Amino acid sequence: QVQLQQWGAGLLKPSETLSLTCAVSGGPFSGYSWTWIRQPPGKGLEWIGEINHSGSTNYNPSLKSRVTISPDTSQSQFSLRLTSVTAADTAIYYCARIKLRAVIIPWGQGTLVTVSS
Amino acid sequence: QSALTQPRSVSGSPGQSVTISCAGSSSDIGGYNSVSWYQQHPGKAPELLIYDVSERPSGVPDRFSGSKSASTASLTISGLQAEDEADYYCCSYAGSYTLVFGGGTYLTVL
Repeated sequence: QVQLQQWGAGLLKPSETLSLTCAVSGGPFSGYSWTWIRQPPGKGLEWIGEINHSGSTNYNPSLKSRVTISPDTSQSQFSLRLTSVTAADTAIYYCARIKLRAVIIPWGQGTLVTVSS
Repeated sequence: QSALTQPRSVSGSPGQSVTISCAGSSSDIGGYNSVSWYQQHPGKAPELLIYDVSERPSGVPDRFSGSKSASTASLTISGLQAEDEADYYCCSYAGSYTLVFGGGTYLTVL
């Protein structure tokens, strides 16, 4: 059974870079697409982007200029970098696997990232 | 890429049925049969309930069903139970390898 374990800094100052990593275990890393999704406190889900099975990335147009998702195939991990963060980037960030179009399963446990001066 | 439109909240009594709508456009829901639904309890990660409009993953009760008409998808929960009280999110493929979520609907079981 595939499991995702994520980690990264939970408190950032404005203008800093958010960095999170997600480790995949219990199943293959190659051959699937992997995604990051975020949820501001008390609000809905927002798709950030994905890295697909061929190594190509696709991002939410609203975040594209600040986002990088990259793989580490040897470690079965993938990472999220979001530059120039502001308070609006405060959210729980989830990593997840995309099995098919819009089929997101499983999800990581989530990491709360707070941006505050 | 605009978020899909869901009602903020719905409610129903135990044993009843409720339907949650998810309105999109021809660029997302209307253009693809790639709509999924997720259930999220407080403090937990979302969990897949429905995929490909109306398919249920193994382990999801058949009380949960999905459908689509034009650019609007719907999730119906029949035989409401107390544990169904949660947030529900729709998600659609939106072309060019992008996804879009709905704003979420909170279901209250009265």
